[in-house]
Amino acid sequence: TQLLEQSPQFLSIQEGENLTVYCNSSSVFSSLQWYRQEPGEGPVLLVTVVTGGEVKKLKRLTFQFGDARKDSSLHITAAQPGDTGLYLCAGVLMTTDSWGKLQFGAGTQVVVTP
Amino acid sequence: DARVTQTPRHKVTEMGQEVTMRCQPILGHNTVFWYRQTMMQGLELLAYFRNRAPLDDSGMPKDRFSAEMPDATLATLKIQPSEPRDSAVYFCASGLVQNYGYTFGSGTRLTVV
Repeated sequence: TQLLEQSPQFLSIQEGENLTVYCNSSSVFSSLQWYRQEPGEGPVLLVTVVTGGEVKKLKRLTFQFGDARKDSSLHITAAQPGDTGLYLCAGVLMTTDSWGKLQFGAGTQVVVTP
Repeated sequence: DARVTQTPRHKVTEMGQEVTMRCQPILGHNTVFWYRQTMMQGLELLAYFRNRAPLDDSGMPKDRFSAEMPDATLATLKIQPSEPRDSAVYFCASGLVQNYGYTFGSGTRLTVV
C-alpha cells in the first residue's frame, strides 16, 4: 500500500483543457513536493508546499496543500503539449523516527495532445 | 546549473555479477537518497544519508545491497550478487534542506540477464 495515493493514474486531455491531479494520505507531512518526470530522465522539482492551506502558483500550475497537511492537489490551466509527463507527489514525514524521509506516490501520467 | 551526476547511465550484466552504481551529489548538499524505479512499484526509497551517515536503509534487501558514502562527493550503491529482479532504473538525489526539495540525477538503467 502506497503512503501517498495519487489520482487519477492516467489523464489524457486536449490542448487548452484544464486538469487536476490529487495526492492523498492518512499521514501528516512537514512538506509536500511535486515533481515532473520525462522519459529517460530523473524527476524534476516543480514546487514545495510547507504550510497547511498554502497555495502556490507557477505560471499555469497551481499547487495546494491541505489544511491538515495530509493532501495536496496540482491544477493545470489551459494545458499545453509541453505539460506532458509523469507527475509525482512526494511527502516528508513528520514522525521522529523517519524525519527527512521523502516518500513518493505512484504518479499520474498526463498526456496533452495538440 | 549544478546537477547530480550518476554513472554509468546504462548497465547490462549477467545474473550473479557485482554491480556498482555511483553518484556525485551537488557540492554542499548534505542529504543523499537512493531510489529504485520500476513500472510496477514506482519510486521506492532504498536508503538515505545525512552528512554522510546512513539514516535509513530499511528499503534495501540487506543480503545483497549495500550503500555507502566514502566521502562528501561520492555515494555508491552496490549489488552483489545481482538478480534479474534487480532490473530497474536507480536514481540518486541530493538536497540541503528537506523542505526545499531535492535534485535528482538522470539515473542508472540496470538490466540483469
